[in-house]
Amino acid sequence: AQKVTQAQTEISVVEKEDVTLDCVYETRDTTYYLFWYKQPPSGELVFLIRRNSFDEQNEISGRYSWNFQKSTSSFNFTITASQVVDSAVYFCALSEIDQTGANNLFFGTGTRLTVIP
Amino acid sequence: DAGVTQSPTHLIKTRGQHVTLRCSPISGHKSVSWYQQVLGQGPQFIFQYYEKEERGRGNFPDRFSARQFPNYSSELNVNALLLGDSALYLCASSLVGSEYNEQFFGPGTRLTVL
Repeated sequence: AQKVTQAQTEISVVEKEDVTLDCVYETRDTTYYLFWYKQPPSGELVFLIRRNSFDEQNEISGRYSWNFQKSTSSFNFTITASQVVDSAVYFCALSEIDQTGANNLFFGTGTRLTVIP
Repeated sequence: DAGVTQSPTHLIKTRGQHVTLRCSPISGHKSVSWYQQVLGQGPQFIFQYYEKEERGRGNFPDRFSARQFPNYSSELNVNALLLGDSALYLCASSLVGSEYNEQFFGPGTRLTVL
C-alpha cells in the first residue's frame, strides 16, 4: 500500500531563514513518481516538482531544492532565504501507475509554512 | 492557454440533496481526475477517467459517481449528501502517455453541506 507521511504539521520561520519540509513515503512499486505541490490560501494546488524513482539527482530551482534519497524513502524540500510569499500549505505526493495506466496521486497531510516578516 | 476550470466555485447544499460538479481540462488533456480535500487534510483520490472510461477509483461510497464527455470535460455527482461530504473538490487533468505524469489542478469547488 502507498503512504506519504509529512510529520511536520506546521512550521514558522522568520523571513530569509532556510526551511526544510520533510516527506517520507512507502510503496511496493519499483517505478513511481514523487511530487511537491504548493497550496496558497486561494486553494489551487500549484505543481512544484516531479521526480521519478530512477532519478536520485538532487535538483535546485532558484530558492527551491529537493533531496531525494531512496535508501531512506525520503523526498525533502528546502526553501532557501524564505519570503512571505512562500507562506502556504505544501503537499508531498506519490504516484504509481497501475495496469490500467491510472496515475493516481496519494498525498500527505501537508505542512503549513508561515514566513514571518 | 486556459488552465483547468471548475464550476461552480462555491456551493451550499443540505443533507440528502444531490450535487453535480463540473470540470473542463486543459486543452489537449484527455485524462481527468477528481479529489476530495477535507479541511486540514491532503487531497484524497476519488476517480480518474481517460477517454470516457473509468481508469481508477478511490475508497469512496457508491454515492459518488462521475463521467467524462466526448470533449473530455467531466462531471462528479454525489447523491444523498452527508455533512462529511463538505470539502474542497479538486479536478486535475493530465496528458496520458506522457512520461512525466503531471496532473494540473483546477481552483476547486468548495461544497458545504448543512
